[in-house]
Amino acid sequence: DAKTTQPNSMESNEEEPVHLPCNHSTISGTDYIHWYRQLPSQGPEYVIHGLTSNVNNRMASLAIAEDRKSSTLILHRATLRDAAVYYCILRNFGNEKLTFGTGTRLTIIP
Amino acid sequence: ETGVTQTPRHLVMGMTNKKSLKCEQHLGHNAMYWYKQSAKKPLELMFVYNFKEQTENNSVPSRFSPECPNSSHLFLHLHTLQPEDSALYLCASSQGTSGDNEQFFGPGTRLTVL
Repeated sequence: DAKTTQPNSMESNEEEPVHLPCNHSTISGTDYIHWYRQLPSQGPEYVIHGLTSNVNNRMASLAIAEDRKSSTLILHRATLRDAAVYYCILRNFGNEKLTFGTGTRLTIIP
Repeated sequence: ETGVTQTPRHLVMGMTNKKSLKCEQHLGHNAMYWYKQSAKKPLELMFVYNFKEQTENNSVPSRFSPECPNSSHLFLHLHTLQPEDSALYLCASSQGTSGDNEQFFGPGTRLTVL
C-alpha cells in the first residue's frame, strides 16, 4: 500500500472544528483511505473511510481532494473525548492488511 | 463496546511459561486478526484468518502460535517468550478482508514477560 504523511501532533480547542490532514501523493486508483483513532489505553477504533467522494458519518467527515493525493478528517465539534492518536491509512481493495503508521496525536484544550 | 472481547486484559508471565490469549467476536464477521503494539512503535499485523483459514503470517516467530477454531474465536498461544515480547496484543475482526472493510478492535491484552 502507498505511504501516508501526517503531522505528528495537533492541538485544538474544545467545541471547535478540527481538520486533520493526510498526504498520500502515491495513492493508486484502488486504494481506499481509512481513518482510525486510538484513545489512551484502548484498541484502535474505526472512524471513516472513502474512495473518491467525500463521506460523512456520525463521528466525522472525510474530505478527499479531487486528485486524491490528500485528504482531511473533519471533527465538527471537538470534545475532550476526541483526544487520541488519529491514523490515516491507505488500503488497497485487494489487500487484507491494515498498515498503521505513527499517526497524529490530537490534544483537545478545554 | 465494539463487539470484540479479549481475555485476559492483563497477563504477566515468565519466559518458561505457556499461556494463551483469547479473542471472541459477536459481530458475525468472517475475518479475524492479531496485532502487536510495542511501546512507541506502530501497530504491527501478526496474523490474519479468513473463514478459519490462516491467510497471513507476517514473519512472526514460532513462539507465537495462533489458532482459529471457528469464525468467532481466535487464540494466540504463547510459549518461551522473551522480555521484548512484552506489548499490547490486539485482536480485530471484519466482515471480509477486502480493502473497503472496516476492522473492529478489542481492548487488547497487556502482556508483560519477566
